[in-house]
Amino acid sequence: KAGVTQTPRYLIKTRGQQVTLSCSPISGHRSVSWYQQTPGQGLQFLFEYFSETQRNKGNFPGRFSGRQFSNSRSEMNVSTLELGDSALYLCASSLDPREQFFGPGTRLTVL
Amino acid sequence: GDSVTQMEGPVTLSEEAFLTINCTYTATGYPSLFWYVQYPGEGLQLLLKATKADDKGSNKGFEATYRKETTSFHLEKGSVQVSDSAVYFCALHTGGFKTIFGAGTRLFVKA
Repeated sequence: KAGVTQTPRYLIKTRGQQVTLSCSPISGHRSVSWYQQTPGQGLQFLFEYFSETQRNKGNFPGRFSGRQFSNSRSEMNVSTLELGDSALYLCASSLDPREQFFGPGTRLTVL
Repeated sequence: GDSVTQMEGPVTLSEEAFLTINCTYTATGYPSLFWYVQYPGEGLQLLLKATKADDKGSNKGFEATYRKETTSFHLEKGSVQVSDSAVYFCALHTGGFKTIFGAGTRLFVKA
């Protein structure tokens, strides 16, 4: 069974640009969660989607948004990038809401 | 609110030493508890879990027991290997739509 895939794996952007990250969950998993991981803040929850509906959201500014498609694939978008948005963005899918399967992450660098 | 506190790292051990990584939590209700591991350049992987008090989760020689009276879920391994070098995250899920992670503890194992 294929795992969670995230594309792209690495991304370099400049301040003010916007970026879209993609996540394909494990087949059959309808819940997708997104996290931001930085050395200083650790793992911070961004949002969770189930069947195209956002069920929970973390404490991030409105520049961070996401969506989920009918095939459970999810995207997250960050507009007007800031230097502090440089991070590893992790996507996780789950069948049981308690147990999550993580992708390898997208490393975003903002210059 | 719900939270997870882990011992700060890094933890440096020699091969075959005994490992303990402390984890305590604060939660309303009856959370499920998890340990995840992150190897360099990868996403998180579920290492073990426990869903109710006094449950013991175990995997790959690692163990953790859900102690409700002390609100703890300490990770232990009797004999660590160099390949166990990674970052370990304690986490809880209380039935909402997000998982709360600790800050992570980096483990270095020397040959």
